[in-house]
Amino acid sequence: GESVGLHLPTLSVQEGDNSIINCAYSNSASDYFIWYKQESGKGPQFIIDIRSNMDKRQGQRVTVLLNKTVKHLSLQIAATQPGDSAVYFCAENTMEAAGNKLTFGGGTRVLVKP
Amino acid sequence: DAGITQSPRHKVTETGTPVTLRCHQTENHRYMYWYRQDPGHGLRLIHYSYGVKDTDKGEVSDGYSVSRSKTEDFLLTLESATSSQTSVYFCAISFTGGYEQFFGPGTRLTVL
Repeated sequence: GESVGLHLPTLSVQEGDNSIINCAYSNSASDYFIWYKQESGKGPQFIIDIRSNMDKRQGQRVTVLLNKTVKHLSLQIAATQPGDSAVYFCAENTMEAAGNKLTFGGGTRVLVKP
Repeated sequence: DAGITQSPRHKVTETGTPVTLRCHQTENHRYMYWYRQDPGHGLRLIHYSYGVKDTDKGEVSDGYSVSRSKTEDFLLTLESATSSQTSVYFCAISFTGGYEQFFGPGTRLTVL
């Protein structure tokens, strides 16, 4: 499989601790914000989304927070596990004439220490 | 990987040669996408398709062309490869054309 390169911000977290991954976005017109997870050697995988009129959404062990005032998005992972080690991408979705357009951020690598 | 395969998985080629990457899906999804992934840039959309023979450009389409002659296959062609096209290429599919996309395993292309 394939994976992203090495020049990524990295978050090291102890197994069992909570992780917070941050993302700044640029387009005020984006209607959804999404988090993808990319494990080593694999393609990205959808984790969770949040609509632009919400400020918080919870999933299984993950919570996404949206602050539109400062154009900031965060992903919180509770009780981080070794399987959470991956690169995490935020993405913003905008509606255009040809359909949905996804714009991805640069990614953050999460390393879980045993 | 949601019934998506990419071929080849690795390729090394020389500047100026044509290269074709293939994406094959078994999900019968209408929408298909080609992205490239480079350090510090996340994923950037090259081209996408919203049906057989229906394609459109993404943000980094220069130097690339695509074709979709049947639902299950989406081909990405580099007519004359350049070193700046060295990258990891991902194909993705979507049933609705929305933001939940399913990605293939990727192809690492090196242009010398």
